Amino acid sequence: SAVISQKPSRDICQRGTSLTIQCQVDSQVTMMFWYRQQPGQSLTLIATANQGSEATYESGFVIDKFPISRPNLTFSTLTVSNLSPEDSSIYLCSVESWQGARGYTFGSGTRLTVV
Amino acid sequence: ELKVEQNPLFLSMQEGKNYTIYCNYSTTSDRLYWYRQDPGKSLESLFVLLSNGAVKQEGRLMASLDTKARLSTLHITAAVHDLSATYFCAVEAVGGGSNYKLTFGKGTLLTVNP
Repeated sequence: SAVISQKPSRDICQRGTSLTIQCQVDSQVTMMFWYRQQPGQSLTLIATANQGSEATYESGFVIDKFPISRPNLTFSTLTVSNLSPEDSSIYLCSVESWQGARGYTFGSGTRLTVV
Repeated sequence: ELKVEQNPLFLSMQEGKNYTIYCNYSTTSDRLYWYRQDPGKSLESLFVLLSNGAVKQEGRLMASLDTKARLSTLHITAAVHDLSATYFCAVEAVGGGSNYKLTFGKGTLLTVNP
């Protein structure tokens, strides 16, 4: 299955600043997914990123707050903009992968704390 | 909108006991996933269930899928401390833009006590 390298693993950011998270995959993938996991909560899909097209955002998430880039088939970035303490979460990227059947592999996550 | 309900949300078990986690979902889907998450870690894939009646087993964990009842179960047999983690089910369905996407349950925090 695909191997994902996600950076940074954690960061502490000031209010009003932005954080850009990177995900690098060891193989070409069509779609990459970005999730948010708030403390003690489940995962919520932020957006789906296809190479060469605009990302598709889920209800409650907007491009101005969570701009995504997908410059090629192995890389994507998620920026969390104008940070507030409510943005403190773990952010994970994910890709489809083959695990005997089509499945999904997750990056190691980025733990963001906003102070 | 697809809803995924997982229960129980918290489960405290004694070593050696058996228990089942339930995952109900609200719309048609033929593909369901179970994941494990250890504290501070990412998600580890446990099972991919592809069709009605699918049953998969790995060690002390067994997962099944009933697409007609829209129900999946994760059965734990003779629990050991190493199974302590949070377990998520996730259901795949077509989302916006006609792409497949996963909707997760809230997770079950499993604690296995000696």
